[in-house]
Amino acid sequence: NAGVMQNPRHLVRRRGQEARLRCSPMKGHSHVYWYRQLPEEGLKFMVYLQKENIIDESGMPKERFSAEFPKEGPSILRIQQVVRGDSAAYFCASASGTSGFTDTQYFGPGTRLTVL
Amino acid sequence: EDQVTQSPEALRLQEGESSSLNCSYTVSGLRGLFWYRQDPGKGPEFLFTLYSAGEEKEKERLKATLTKKESFLHITAPKPEDSATYLCAANAGNNRKLIWGLGTSLAVNP
Repeated sequence: NAGVMQNPRHLVRRRGQEARLRCSPMKGHSHVYWYRQLPEEGLKFMVYLQKENIIDESGMPKERFSAEFPKEGPSILRIQQVVRGDSAAYFCASASGTSGFTDTQYFGPGTRLTVL
Repeated sequence: EDQVTQSPEALRLQEGESSSLNCSYTVSGLRGLFWYRQDPGKGPEFLFTLYSAGEEKEKERLKATLTKKESFLHITAPKPEDSATYLCAANAGNNRKLIWGLGTSLAVNP
């Protein structure tokens, strides 16, 4: 049973370009979470999605960032017009949704975004 | 404001030297306290979930405990392969997002 998959693992973009990060949840999981990690700040929640729905985007900047989880295919975190401050590790986690608020979240290996 | 604080920031142990990591939380309506392990360049790996004060869970050399204000991760006779950053996170209120501590970086010397 494959775990959470993320690609690309490393992504380099120049300022002003777009970054697309993909996340395929574990088989049978319909809940996806995106987090950002910086060494000094730890893991920060960005957005929580279920298939075709954004449930909680309270941690995601309102400008330049968007996320989707279509009926078919991976979840995508999209960052438009990237700036140097967007450089970070972005992690996706998936959960089954069967345990309510205490669902275990299983993490992917992350995408390291570097903005030049 | 909901907050999770971990201490110490870093810990160096000799192989076989037992110790404990601390996770203090101030959240309204704790629903679950999670422990993860993170190796460099990798995503967090789930270890335990604790739901109520007094609960304990064990896995190999690790034991997690929970009180009303904090959680401890006890490491008994650690080995070098236990070296990693240990993260704790709390889920509270009426949403599913986790509030994370900054982690304890553990190094176990052979």
